[in-house]
Amino acid sequence: QSALTQPASVSGSPGQSITISCTGTSSDVGGYDRVSWYQQYPVTVPKVMIYEDTKRPSGVSNRFSGSKSGNTASLTISGLQAEDEADYYCCSYTSQNKWVFGGGTKLTVL
Amino acid sequence: EVRLVESGGGLVQPGGSLRLSCEASGFSINDHFMHWVRQSPGKGLLWVSHSTNHGTTPTYADSLEGRITISRDTAKNTLYLQMNSLTVEDTAVYYCVRDSPHSRFDLWGQGTLVTVSS
Repeated sequence: QSALTQPASVSGSPGQSITISCTGTSSDVGGYDRVSWYQQYPVTVPKVMIYEDTKRPSGVSNRFSGSKSGNTASLTISGLQAEDEADYYCCSYTSQNKWVFGGGTKLTVL
Repeated sequence: EVRLVESGGGLVQPGGSLRLSCEASGFSINDHFMHWVRQSPGKGLLWVSHSTNHGTTPTYADSLEGRITISRDTAKNTLYLQMNSLTVEDTAVYYCVRDSPHSRFDLWGQGTLVTVSS
């Protein structure tokens, strides 16, 4: 049950697009349509931004989108805004009927 | 109001035990899988355990299996996490999380801090 692999940090300027990757295996990310993404500001609880690989909950900006290719899922934020600066975590269901998070990515808006 | 409220955290010595509680309001835990997720200070999220709403066997993170037990009391609409043989590495904020469904963790409690220290 190894953590999914995310870049430790990404950055972008306001208005740009950024993509955060989340790499697993065929036993988790690649095996199920069960990848979700969470946004967490300092000292607050995580908030779901994407679920079932590509679905966006009501109330989440359409600037956030999810995709997947093979064993790698991705979160794309378009039209980057200062308020997007936060930590982002991916999470996947696994073949062991368990779940696993990525190590987290710190997004900096320059 | 739909919410989850955790309790039971605190300071415990290495080797000790704690039972965390998570009281749900505004919905029935009978309708959902429920999870515990923890976050050590300055670190990322770690999935800890899940409990189903149809009686199947709960599962646990490999690193914690054998030391923790998840359970639920549907009459009290409350989820529990029994933790034994605690080590300093178990120091973390423990979150109770609702799964709605298919791995959409849509409702998080405010967390309860567990500190393991001598």
